[in-house]
Amino acid sequence: KAGVTQTPRYLIKTRGQQVTLSCSPISGHRSVSWYQQTPGQGLQFLFEYFSETQRNKGNFPGRFSGRQFSNSRSEMNVSTLELGDSALYLCASSLEFRGGEAFFGQGTRLTVV
Amino acid sequence: AQSVTQLDSQVPVFEEAPVELRCNYSSSVSVYLFWYVQYPNQGLQLLLKYLSGSTLVKGINGFEAEFNKSQTSFHLRKPSVHISDTAEYFCAVRGYNQGGKLIFGQGTELSVKP
Repeated sequence: KAGVTQTPRYLIKTRGQQVTLSCSPISGHRSVSWYQQTPGQGLQFLFEYFSETQRNKGNFPGRFSGRQFSNSRSEMNVSTLELGDSALYLCASSLEFRGGEAFFGQGTRLTVV
Repeated sequence: AQSVTQLDSQVPVFEEAPVELRCNYSSSVSVYLFWYVQYPNQGLQLLLKYLSGSTLVKGINGFEAEFNKSQTSFHLRKPSVHISDTAEYFCAVRGYNQGGKLIFGQGTELSVKP
């Protein structure tokens, strides 16, 4: 069974641009969560989607948004990029909204210059 | 709300020695508990989880952890470490009925020396 797939693995963007990251969960998993990892702030929860609806949201500005499609694949978008958005963005999938453990992808390393 | 404290940011240890990575949490609701490992330039890999039942849980790669509700702790242990265990380890909690949102500790860097 394939794991969680995130694309692209690496990305370099310029301040002010926008970026879209993609996540394909484990087959059969319906819940997808996103996290930002930085050396200073550690791992922080961005949002969670289940059945194409956002169920949980972390404390991030509105520039960070996401969506989930009917096949459970998810995308997150960051608009008007800032240098501080440079981070490893991790996607996690779970079987159900309140079910068990989360499995993580390899992450997308975003560098904003 | 929940919070997680990993009491050691770095733990150096010699190969074949035992190790304990400490994790304390606070929460106003019951929680599920997890340990994840992260190798350089990789995502997080689940080591073990406590959802219910026995408070001693065994995970992959010879790791185990004990849930202590009275002390709100979930320490990770391994009786004999290998060089390949060198990585960063994260403790995480999730509240019952709070979806999949994980709250992570700041991580413990385990460095195994020959």
